Amino acid sequence: EVQLVESGGGLVQPGGSLRLSCAATGFSLSDYYMNWARQSPGKGLEWVGRSRDKAHSYTAEYAASVKGRFSISRDDSKNSVYLQMDSLKTEDTAVYYCARDLLRDRIWHAFEIWGRGTTVTVSS
Amino acid sequence: DIQMTQSPSSLSASVGDRVTIICRASQGISNFLAWFQQKPGKAPKSLIYAASGLQSGVPSRFSGSGSGTDFSLTISSLQPEDFATYYCQQYKTYPFTFGPGTKVDIK
Repeated sequence: EVQLVESGGGLVQPGGSLRLSCAATGFSLSDYYMNWARQSPGKGLEWVGRSRDKAHSYTAEYAASVKGRFSISRDDSKNSVYLQMDSLKTEDTAVYYCARDLLRDRIWHAFEIWGRGTTVTVSS
Repeated sequence: DIQMTQSPSSLSASVGDRVTIICRASQGISNFLAWFQQKPGKAPKSLIYAASGLQSGVPSRFSGSGSGTDFSLTISSLQPEDFATYYCQQYKTYPFTFGPGTKVDIK
């Protein structure tokens, strides 16, 4: 079964760091584009960043609100993708989701499969 | 950034009703448009990709249409499990952006 499981969320003080993990089962992460998105309490969805597949050297794109503070990395041996979050702000408080893209007709379509999410709270 | 708007923001409907949700992009995005369903406390679920492609396992009562700036999601006969919030998203240009959502509840 294709599945994504996030972990690593928790309570952190403003200015602190946290690394979220997203473990994949049922497929090889290296073959897929992967995204991170977030949802603040009671709010809508916000795209955070995207990591291309191994064939494209895992290059990444980021939302302006997190660029320079967040980074996406991968570990093929653990079939996992990570979101390193530094210089955290109270406005980064949210549920964070990882999601796999769909490749169809040589085009990558965003967010086919979602994980269940992990909660990050930034507060003093 | 491309702004996504949805209408209505909420609607009340009955089981068996035909429901249509509109999504508009602030500039043309071809067909790089997805629709998602989210229930309270749950992760979003992908319904539609490329404006009209039905994701695997999604019931055929869901359909999407449109291209350019104007898109729609239609539920042909609303079922009890369809009461949820629906989001559109453009993935033509970074940053990817979501609409604000349309909440569908029971009349």
